[in-house]
Amino acid sequence: AQSVAQPEDQVNVAEGNPLTVKCTYSVSGNPYLFWYVQYPNRGLQFLLKYITGDNLVKGSYGFEAEFNKSQTSFHLKKPSALVSDSALYFCAVRGDNAGNMLTFGGGTRLMVKP
Amino acid sequence: GAVVSQHPSWVICKSGTSVKIECRSLDFQATTMFWYRQFPKQSLMLMATSNEGSKATYEQGVEKDKFLINHASLTLSTLTVTSAHPEDSSFYICSARDGHGGRNQPQHFGDGTRLSIL
Repeated sequence: AQSVAQPEDQVNVAEGNPLTVKCTYSVSGNPYLFWYVQYPNRGLQFLLKYITGDNLVKGSYGFEAEFNKSQTSFHLKKPSALVSDSALYFCAVRGDNAGNMLTFGGGTRLMVKP
Repeated sequence: GAVVSQHPSWVICKSGTSVKIECRSLDFQATTMFWYRQFPKQSLMLMATSNEGSKATYEQGVEKDKFLINHASLTLSTLTVTSAHPEDSSFYICSARDGHGGRNQPQHFGDGTRLSIL
């Protein structure tokens, strides 16, 4: 079975400060990892993915994530947060032998204050 | 690119009504589409996976006779909530994956449908 843990229900940062949203995972086989963002009453928007290659992945809106195989983590980061980054963030994983099944974490609400 | 359109965005109806939700991939062909349900302040729960031209695969605990899924073309999947009751009220989200490029392509999500059953 595969699983994703987002240990923080909410992350608060001041505008202009760096932000990190944590994600750890468990899969059999190699992981395909994704980050999505959800704004109120909207679906999920794709931010970035890790499939293979460089451990540091750059995505939309200045976000990046670092794949750490030994720690089974895929934390989302941004050097300088914007108020408009405030939203709900989901980490997701699919094992390369898991068919179509994409498993989501519980979500982390990011609050960026001016 | 990779836009998924979901319609309607909000439905309010009486108990016993059947409600159809459409999910369309606008600029790509989606051999696989997914239907999720999201409760307030919770993550997404996969309800079913639909493959074009074949029967949907339902997750454990999801009533296939209650939630009818049809994926008749490479760009359209529909979810029909039959004889809806208040406990079916939820936020339903569809997603689709581009058929080209393999299984490591991300899923692209519609904007969701908020279903409220009175």
